[in-house]
Formats: sequence, C-alpha cells, structure tokens
Amino acid sequence: DAGVIQSPRHEVTEMGQEVTLRCKPISGHNSLFWYRQTMMRGLELLIYFNNNVPIDDSGMPEDRFSAKMPNASFSTLKIQPSEPRDSAVYFCASSQAGSGTQYFGPGTRLLVL
Amino acid sequence: AQSVTQLGSHVSVSEGALVLLRCNYSSSVPPYLFWYVQYPNQGLQLLLKYTSAATLVKGINGFEAEFKKSETSFHLTKPSAHMSDAAEYFCAVSGLNSGNTPLVFGKGTRLSVIA
Repeated sequence: DAGVIQSPRHEVTEMGQEVTLRCKPISGHNSLFWYRQTMMRGLELLIYFNNNVPIDDSGMPEDRFSAKMPNASFSTLKIQPSEPRDSAVYFCASSQAGSGTQYFGPGTRLLVL
Repeated sequence: AQSVTQLGSHVSVSEGALVLLRCNYSSSVPPYLFWYVQYPNQGLQLLLKYTSAATLVKGINGFEAEFKKSETSFHLTKPSAHMSDAAEYFCAVSGLNSGNTPLVFGKGTRLSVIA
C-alpha cells in the first residue's frame, strides 16, 4: 500500500493567499484526521471525519480554516486567508474502524510570509 | 478528558546504553496508549500500542513499553541505544474505539544518542 499521501509536501505563500492542502487516505480506511504540529503547541487535532462525515471540528482555529471530505479517498484542508501564524506542519492520518492504529502521512510544511 | 505528560523534552544517552522515555497519562475511560517516532522532516511512525491486552507491549526496532494502571504510566524502553534511534518520540492516548477517535499527544521527547 502507498500509505497516506499528502500534497504538497512544502508550501510557501504570502499572507492573505488561499492555501489548499490535500490528503489521500489509505484505501479501506474509514476515519481521517487532520493534525497540526508547531513548536509552541505540539501536535493538535484540527478536525476528523468518520465515513466522510465531520465529527469534531472544535480544533479548527477559526473561520479561516475549512475542511472537506467529498469521498472516501480524498480530503482537503483550506486556509483562506492565510496568516503567518498558520505556519506549521500539517499532518493527515487515517485509520480503519477497530484497528486502533492511525497511519500518518509525511505532512505538509507550510510557511506563510 | 484525556491528557499525556512526557517527562523530559530532551534525553541524551550513550550508544549501547538503556533508553528510558517517560509517559504518564490521564484518561476518564480505559485508555489506548501509543508511542510514535518522528524522524527529521518525516511523518509519525507507530512504534507500539497498548489496547488492553498484555501490559508489556513489544514494538518495532527493539522498543517496548509497560502499561502500569496504578501509576498511570506507559514508559518506553530499549535495552541498548543505537545511533539510528535518534529522533523525536511522542506518547499518545485515545479512548475506546481508538481507530475512530483522535489521539491526544504529549509534547514529545527528543532522543539524542552519543557515540
């Protein structure tokens, strides 16, 4: 299996621009998680989906952040407009019900100037 | 509510020495516990997990961890450190049905291995 795929791996943008991060979960997995990693806050959950339905988005910082999962094989995390404080590594992870294991993608390193 | 505390943001050991990374958890439900490793500029890789079966869990690369309910601990150990073990290690907790619920991570411990 190819594992969780994220794109792009690196993104440099200017403040105010729209940023879209993409994730392809492992085939057959029915849960998808978006986490953010920063030096100050560590790893924190942004949002997660079960069977393509958003379950908990309380970790989304503010209305500038939105996430979608239109089908079982694709999810996006969008930031509009982006700000320098959004600079972080964004991870997508997927899991299969009952497996107890989340598999992480390589992450997208975002830098907002 | 669940939380994880990792004692020591940075641990340094000599090659061949014992590795001990400490993790204490708090959970209102029977926990599932995990250790992940992150190498520079990479994602998180699962080392091992505890899901209410055997309290001593063996993982990859010679690592193991012991679940101690009375101490609410899940410390990670390896008898002999190797240079390739240098990385960031994260302890995480989730509740039941952990495949469908988020992980709560500790702040991480950076392991350095000295030749």
